[in-house]
Amino acid sequence: QQQVKQSPQSLIVQKGGISIINCAYENTAFDYFPWYQQFPGKGPALLIAIRPDVSEKKEGRFTISFNKSAKQFSLHIMDSQPGDSATYFCAASKGGTASKLTFGTGTRLQVTL
Amino acid sequence: GAVVSQHPSRVICKSGTSVKIECRSLDFQATTMFWYRQFPKKSLMLMATSNEGSKATYEQGVEKDKFLINHASLTLSTLTVTSAHPEDSSFYICSAWDTKYNEQFFGPGTRLTVL
Repeated sequence: QQQVKQSPQSLIVQKGGISIINCAYENTAFDYFPWYQQFPGKGPALLIAIRPDVSEKKEGRFTISFNKSAKQFSLHIMDSQPGDSATYFCAASKGGTASKLTFGTGTRLQVTL
Repeated sequence: GAVVSQHPSRVICKSGTSVKIECRSLDFQATTMFWYRQFPKKSLMLMATSNEGSKATYEQGVEKDKFLINHASLTLSTLTVTSAHPEDSSFYICSAWDTKYNEQFFGPGTRLTVL
């Protein structure tokens, strides 16, 4: 059972545009929602994370929007750059950062010139 | 941020042999480490949670006798794939929880190919 659903599966955005990736979760016990960036052949790297007590968090060009009632959260990448081309995974856990993560299915982002 | 290493980065072995993968936290102590498996162009699937000094907790469907996990120290966890078969070929990734940064940090992964 996929507890965290992610869309779209792939995304092509022009340089300078906004990339938007969405995730929906089922388990209301989840209390930690990170986003990871993964390049081919590498491990995931944490981009940004949010807890359900806030509706938005911004770090540089990356913003998470969180809708607790809808059980959805999204990643916005502003001013997308070719170097942002990677696979992005949302994830969720219950019990905070030290707990096991349930990952979304991933979104392959390609930023074109 | 904290650094997690994995060794080896790539390994090719014959069917029926055992392979050991190491996961080390280089600049912090990790009481909890996690092992994930990732198939090509797929998501990460948690295999087990490894706690220092105790038995690992395996996810449903993961064969504990096939995937042996040992977390003998606060900086090292090992995953041994026993009697490996071609279907065990995958990308294995570990993560370690750092109390200082209160985050999980992932290793670079190990590509296992079983011939």
